[in-house]
This record gives sequence, C-alpha cells and structure tokens, in this order.
Amino acid sequence: NAGVTQTPKFRILKIGQSMTLQCTQDMNHNYMYWYRQDPGMGLKLIYYSVGAGITDKGEVPNGYNVSRSTTEDFPLRLELAAPSQTSVYFCASSPGRGRAASTDTQYFGPGTRLTVL
Amino acid sequence: GQQLNQSPQSMFIQEGEDVSMNCTSSSIFNTWLWYKQDPGEGPVLLIALYKAGELTSNGRLTAQFGITRKDSFLNISASIPSDVGIYFCALSNDYKLSFGAGTTVTVRA
Repeated sequence: NAGVTQTPKFRILKIGQSMTLQCTQDMNHNYMYWYRQDPGMGLKLIYYSVGAGITDKGEVPNGYNVSRSTTEDFPLRLELAAPSQTSVYFCASSPGRGRAASTDTQYFGPGTRLTVL
Repeated sequence: GQQLNQSPQSMFIQEGEDVSMNCTSSSIFNTWLWYKQDPGEGPVLLIALYKAGELTSNGRLTAQFGITRKDSFLNISASIPSDVGIYFCALSNDYKLSFGAGTTVTVRA
C-alpha cells in the first residue's frame, strides 16, 4: 500500500492563477480531509468528505473547492491564487464509521508546498 | 475550530533528557490525540486517549488524558536525536480534528 499520495510536492503560482492539488489513497477509506499548515499555526481543516459525492466545509474553506467522485481521490482546487494561500497542504484519510480502526486515526500524505507570488 | 493551547511552543533537548509538553482546551472532549511531524513529512499518530485519567504509553512516549477532560500531557523519556520534530495535540470532534499549534523539539548543540 502506498497510503496517501499527493502531487505535486512543490509548486510556485502567480497571483490569479489556478491549480489542482491531487490526493489519492489506496486504503479504501471513506473519510478524506484537506488541511493547510502555516508556520506556528498547526493544521487547519479546509474541506472534508465522508464518502464519494459528499463534501463539506472545514474551518478555512474560502478560496478553495473540492470534489469527491471516487473513494480514492479527493482533489483540492485553487481558482484564483492569492499570497495568503502560500502554505503547506496536507491530505489525510481515515477509515470511517463502522470500521475496525478508529476514525480518529488519520493517515497523512507527505504534503504539497505551495508558494503564491 | 476548538481553542487549543499547546505549550511550550518550542524546546531544546539533550540526549538522555526527559521532556514533557501539554495541551489545554476551552471545552470538554472525549478524545485526545498526539501526533508527531518529522521535517518534510505529514503528521503521524503517536498516541490516542479515550478516557479521562487514562495513561497510555508507546515506547518511550507516555501520554495522559486529564481528569477534567480539558487537558493532556505528553512525556518523552530518555530523549534521542530522532525525537526532534513537531509534536501536535489534537481533539477529535466527531470525525474532524482540531490541532494545537505544535511544540517544536530541537536537539541542543
């Protein structure tokens, strides 16, 4: 199992450009999450999904969009990049309700470091 | 998200030392989690706590769920160089996590 994979690892965007951060998990997890990590601020939840076709906003959703057409993939879209979106983005997944493992065990990808200039 | 206060913000360790860090929350929760993030990697779950007063160990790491259910402590015994990284406490609210700001652990030169 590769676990949670994210692409790209690094990206530099110009203000106003758009891009999609890719996230894939091969653990057949129902729940998937997107976080951003800013220095000294911990991780903030952007969006999450409890299953294919279901998404919901987290703590800091403005400027982002997500979709969940399959169990495996949960891409994050930035439509009009702004300097405030410079951050490290982490995707995570967890088994979900009714599974043997606790839903609290979230498995994280290696992150995408995004700079908006 | 929930208000989580994690301290200290940073610490220096010397090999062999015991170190500790803690988190407090503004509300009562049923689950406390401790994660570690190595440089350039995503966080990895170290310990999960589900009951007030619970004391759980994972190797040289020991964590406790406070009796008031508003705090938790993480202790690292006999530090080694690979203990460096950022340690996060987190609260589980249904299926979403709220993270503290982290404690950065660095080796003292």
